[in-house]
Formats: sequence, structure tokens, C-alpha cells
Amino acid sequence: DTAVSQTPKYLVTQMGNDKSIKCEQNLGHDTMYWYKQDSKKFLKIMFSYNNKELIINETVPNRFSPKSPDKAHLNLHINSLELGDSAVYFCASSPRLAGGIDTQYFGPGTRLTVL
Amino acid sequence: KQEVTQIPAALSVPEGENLVLNCSFTDSAIYNLQWFRQDPGKGLTSLLLIQSSQREQTSGRLNASLDKSSGRSTLYIAASQPGDSATYLCACNEGTGFQKLVFGTGTRLLVSP
Repeated sequence: DTAVSQTPKYLVTQMGNDKSIKCEQNLGHDTMYWYKQDSKKFLKIMFSYNNKELIINETVPNRFSPKSPDKAHLNLHINSLELGDSAVYFCASSPRLAGGIDTQYFGPGTRLTVL
Repeated sequence: KQEVTQIPAALSVPEGENLVLNCSFTDSAIYNLQWFRQDPGKGLTSLLLIQSSQREQTSGRLNASLDKSSGRSTLYIAASQPGDSATYLCACNEGTGFQKLVFGTGTRLLVSP
């Protein structure tokens, strides 16, 4: 009965490779997000999607390409991985795009290590 | 550009103490302010959400206040327990028409038995 799930939980790869992280939510929410938490534990939004439409792109390098096949899924593909991409990536969802009373529900995170 | 700061960065207290975590933000034009808890190796769990028109919210032993004019929020934890040990994050929602959370730097709390 996991609300927001991510796969894989851990990802170790070489510099220059391409990798994907998958996210699924079974809450029936319209809006999904990707966040990056760096080594100093600072959490920053990367992307926001609403009903498969891109809403927020926080000047993330275009090596990062989110894809939303349907509103329950938001995947993150990363091309040409760099050392600085090492971080924990969190997926989240919220009921609606604009909700003053809505919070966000977070997945368990994917720890990406680029060697 | 919104900047959110939390102090202290780390706090260690004995069980049973009441404690206050502080959050400050630079731009008062926020939609709401949220407090989250993060356990090691886990995702974030929402604790409290205060709308911009509200002054405080309570849930069990937790009470969060919001003073937009001074750019401050506090999270009060009463009668702390070892199970409260975690990192606490505040986040300002500065989006209008959509949610855009700007997170603080976090306070790592350790409650010892």
C-alpha cells in the first residue's frame, strides 16, 4: 500500500553513463515533483508536473529529462552522468496543482552515486 | 530570491524536555509554510501546514506558529521522546497557482532516553 514509490533505491554508476529513476504514486494525485538533496542535505526542487504537463523547471541542466507517461508516473532520465549528480533524488506528489491546504507526499528517495 | 534558514542546525536534549525549532525566511510573500520530518534513509513526512492567513497549527504534541511580517516560524515540541529524533525541515510555498517549496537547511534533533 506504498503511496509514493521509487526504483531503484540505490544506483551506483560510472561517469558518462545514462540512467533512469522511476516514480509511481497510487494516491490519485494530479501533481508530481522531483527534488534533489545534496551531500549537505539541502533539498531543492527540480521539476513539477501536473497531469503530465511540465509546470516547473528549476534551471536544471538539460541532461536531466523528466517524462510523465500518465499522471501516476514521473520518471527521471539522466544523460552523461557527472560526479556532481551524486545525491539523493526524491519524488513527491500532491493532490492538486494549487492547493493552499495541500501538502506533498514524498517517496523514500533514490541514492545516486556517480564514480 | 527566497532563502530559508533554520537554527539550530543540531540539537540534543534529554527525553521529556520541551523544545523550539526556528525557521526564518527572507520573502514574506508566501502561500503557506510547512514543517516536515525526515528520518535517516527515508523520505519526508509532512507534520504541519500553516496557511499564510493563519498564525498557528497544532497536531498532538506539535505546535507551529507563523509570523509573516517578521519572516519567522517556530515548531514547538512538547514533552520530547526518543522517537522524535529526526531532521526537521521547514519549507515555504512561494508558488502562486502552483506549489513551489523552498526548503530550509534543517535541524537535526536527538532526544536521548
